[in-house]
Amino acid sequence: QVQLQESGPGLVKPSETLSLTCTVSGGSISSYYWSWIRQPAGKGLEWIGRIYTSGSTNYNPSLKSRVTMSVDTSKNQFSLKLSSVTAADTAVYYCARDRGIAAAVDWYFDLWGRGTLVTVSS
Amino acid sequence: SSELTQDPAVSVALGQTVRITCQGDSLRSYYASWYQQKPGQAPVLVIYGKNNRPSGIPDRFSGSSSGNTASLTITGAQAEDEADYYCNSRDSSGNHLYVFGTGTKVTVL
Repeated sequence: QVQLQESGPGLVKPSETLSLTCTVSGGSISSYYWSWIRQPAGKGLEWIGRIYTSGSTNYNPSLKSRVTMSVDTSKNQFSLKLSSVTAADTAVYYCARDRGIAAAVDWYFDLWGRGTLVTVSS
Repeated sequence: SSELTQDPAVSVALGQTVRITCQGDSLRSYYASWYQQKPGQAPVLVIYGKNNRPSGIPDRFSGSSSGNTASLTITGAQAEDEADYYCNSRDSSGNHLYVFGTGTKVTVL
């Protein structure tokens, strides 16, 4: 079955760039949207953005100026970069398969990675 | 962006029925999806669309919608259903693509 696994540094210094990769195994990354979602400790979920396998992206407007997503179909991976991080960016970051398409009325995330904790601290 | 509002916490006796609600303007245009999250674990999709359960989700979980309110019902709650539940939908306001609910902690007594 398809599985997602986040990877990347668990500690990032303030003002630096957070970089995470999600590896998709057990299936192809092609022809799907893929999202990043985060969750600060004890708080709710926040959608960060998504990327299609063509490279087309949509970002949360509140993070758009700092977010860049990319995809590498040859490696079955997609990535997140969040620049100029502060302590407020400390959270568990999840990657997820995104089933939202333009003509649909049901938008949802059907597969999630286990999440990776990123702490922003000097 | 639109907001999705949930009650912070509900409790249910073992084997009884509990309904969790999610309110927001986007739900007039889009279905809610529902996620179960246990401590230290990733969210798991339990309901999507009109009332669809992914493979492996027990049929005691069901979804419904009316106006600006979506509901997740657990019929015959089990101890393992104790978790946080989040709703989510497309944001109809146009600025954000997705919006999540504030989350409901379900306690099984």
